[in-house]
Amino acid sequence: DTAVSQTPKYLVTQMGNDKSIKCEQNLGHDTMYWYKQDSKKFLKIMFSYNNKELIINETVPNRFSPKSPDKAHLNLHINSLELGDSAVYFCASSQRNAADSNQPQHFGDGTRLSIL
Amino acid sequence: AQSVAQPEDQVNVAEGNPLTVKCTYSVSGNPYLFWYVQYPNRGLQFLLKYITGDNLVKGSYGFEAEFNKSQTSFHLKKPSALVSDSALYFCAVRALTGRRALTFGSGTRLQVQP
Repeated sequence: DTAVSQTPKYLVTQMGNDKSIKCEQNLGHDTMYWYKQDSKKFLKIMFSYNNKELIINETVPNRFSPKSPDKAHLNLHINSLELGDSAVYFCASSQRNAADSNQPQHFGDGTRLSIL
Repeated sequence: AQSVAQPEDQVNVAEGNPLTVKCTYSVSGNPYLFWYVQYPNRGLQFLLKYITGDNLVKGSYGFEAEFNKSQTSFHLKKPSALVSDSALYFCAVRALTGRRALTFGSGTRLQVQP
């Protein structure tokens, strides 16, 4: 199936640990995103890459570091996890067209991160 | 700064009745507007978008939305609700120029009763 896939689906870990979430899209899109959805379902952009170049970097602690080895992958590494990092993290992708980025975003099913 | 307001946390409607989920926005210049739906334990799914042209936009699953520039609104509508429409709905906006990121509303939970 063509899709945006994230691994792992669930991540339970201790405070202070370092963890990574992987994302891959096989839609041929050139732009990928990471979002954080909190317990109240509020969704906020964290990062966006276009053809491996960082184009959006919101006010996110520098413990969060995205890495895009190629335009089909965007991984998220989190150092020194804190209780407040507990959330659902969504990866998304879209195609940036010639006019502007008005193309819809396709979302993965999320990674549920719980910090103990 | 761009922002989206979804004034209702929850909308309840009986199956077969029309539904409206409200959205107002604030952005500099002309907007791109989107509606997404989220089912439990799933990512957001695109429903429809307004870029330019006809103010009434038709989307997936029989949904439509009306862009009203004077009221800065983009309400989501469906003539006849289904129980399967029960989900969390997000409105999103970005400006044609400037900030590239989408700004999402806080979401509205739609509950369709049989």
